[in-house]
Amino acid sequence: KAGVTQTPRYLIKTRGQQVTLSCSPISGHRSVSWYQQTPGQGLQFLFEYFSETQRNKGNFPGRFSGRQFSNSRSEMNVSTLELGDSALYLCASSFSPPSVDYGYTFGSGTRLTVV
Amino acid sequence: AQKVTQAQTEISVVEKEDVTLDCVYETRDTTYYLFWYKQPPSGELVFLIRRNSFDEQNEISGRYSWNFQKSTSSFNFTITASQVVDSAVYFCAFGASGGGADGLTFGKGTHLIIQP
Repeated sequence: KAGVTQTPRYLIKTRGQQVTLSCSPISGHRSVSWYQQTPGQGLQFLFEYFSETQRNKGNFPGRFSGRQFSNSRSEMNVSTLELGDSALYLCASSFSPPSVDYGYTFGSGTRLTVV
Repeated sequence: AQKVTQAQTEISVVEKEDVTLDCVYETRDTTYYLFWYKQPPSGELVFLIRRNSFDEQNEISGRYSWNFQKSTSSFNFTITASQVVDSAVYFCAFGASGGGADGLTFGKGTHLIIQP
């Protein structure tokens, strides 16, 4: 059974650019959550998607957005990149909401560096 | 809002020693889940355990054991006879049952170094 797949694995972008990260959940999992991990703030919840709808969103500016497709794959987008957006972005899949009750499986993450 | 505290930033022990990682949480929720994850240098968060707030039984899985004490809001993790492969960053996390708006709340993590 394939795990959670995140692409790309590494990414380098310039300030002001935008970036799109992709996450394919485990087959059969329909809920996808995104987390940002930085040395200063640690792991922080970005948002959760189910049935192509955003269910919850963490305390992040509007530059951070996402979407989910009918096959449950999800993308997150960060526009107008800032140096502080450099982080490891982790995707987690769950069978269904409430995701906490079903448990999460995390991917290996996308490491974004903004220069 | 929930809060998870892992007071130990870094722990270094010699192989075969036992080591306990502390986790204290704060919440007003009555039903919730607690988690432990392991993060090796590759970055992936590896699931170790999930515990429901109604289940205070301690759990043992091989060299790993967990002590959940609701009275002290703690969910500590012990590795017995540590091995070099146990070296990683370990995170404790909280999630409100039923789908809280905040997803999982993580502690800052404990970097565990097992020296040969």
